[in-house]
Amino acid sequence: QLQLQESGPGLVKPSETLSLTCTVSGGSISSSSYYWGWIRQPPGKGLEWIGSIYYSGSTYYNPSLKSRVTISVDTSKNQFSLKVSSVTAADTAVYYCARWESSFDYWGQGTLVTVSS
Amino acid sequence: EIVMTQSPATLSVSPGERATLSCRASQSVSSNLAWYQQKPGQAPRLLISGASTRATGIPARFSGSGSGTEFTLTISSLQSEDFAVYYCQQYNNWPPITFGQGTRLEIK
Repeated sequence: QLQLQESGPGLVKPSETLSLTCTVSGGSISSSSYYWGWIRQPPGKGLEWIGSIYYSGSTYYNPSLKSRVTISVDTSKNQFSLKVSSVTAADTAVYYCARWESSFDYWGQGTLVTVSS
Repeated sequence: EIVMTQSPATLSVSPGERATLSCRASQSVSSNLAWYQQKPGQAPRLLISGASTRATGIPARFSGSGSGTEFTLTISSLQSEDFAVYYCQQYNNWPPITFGQGTRLEIK
C-alpha cells in the first residue's frame, strides 16, 4: 500500500523559507505513470494546488505562487520536496503531498505550518 | 485559470435520503473532473475521477455525472459517515489545477 508522509518544521518566521519533504513508501517515485504534488489548505478554508513534479524533474507550478515556490525530487531517497520563500501569515496552512495521475489518489496526512515570529 | 464553483455552500440532508451536490466550471473541462471527500482533521479522499468513475473502494452509493461545465455528485442514501466537506477539481487545463470552494454536507 502506497504511503506518503510529510515532514518539516511546523513554525516558520515571516520572510523566511518554508521547507517540507514528502517521503513515499510502498512504491517508487520513479514510476512513469505519476506526478507528485503539493496542495495546501489554510485553516478553515479550501484546497489550493501549489505545484507538481515528475520523477525526471519536470515541474509545474501554480502561477499565483510560482515566483516563490520550488519543488524538487530525490529519486534515490524516494522523496520530493517543497520550498516556499518569503513567507507571510497568508502561507499558514496544512500542507499535503499527494500522488497525481489524472487526480490525486494518494495523500499524506498533512502537516500544519504556521508562519509567525 | 478555470474557476470551479460549487453549490450549495452547505447542504442539510437527513440520513437515508439522497444528496445532490453541484459543481460548475467557468469553461469546459470535458470530463476531466474529480470529486473528493474531506472529514475534519483528515486529508481529502478521492471519490470520483473522469467525472463518473468511482475510485477504488468507494461505495456504489456515490455517483458522478456531467461533462463540459456542469457536474453533479450524488449520494443515493446518506450514511452517517458521509457527512463531510466535498470538493470538485478540474484537471483539463492546467496549470493551474483548480478546486471548487467546497460543499459542506451536514445532518438535517
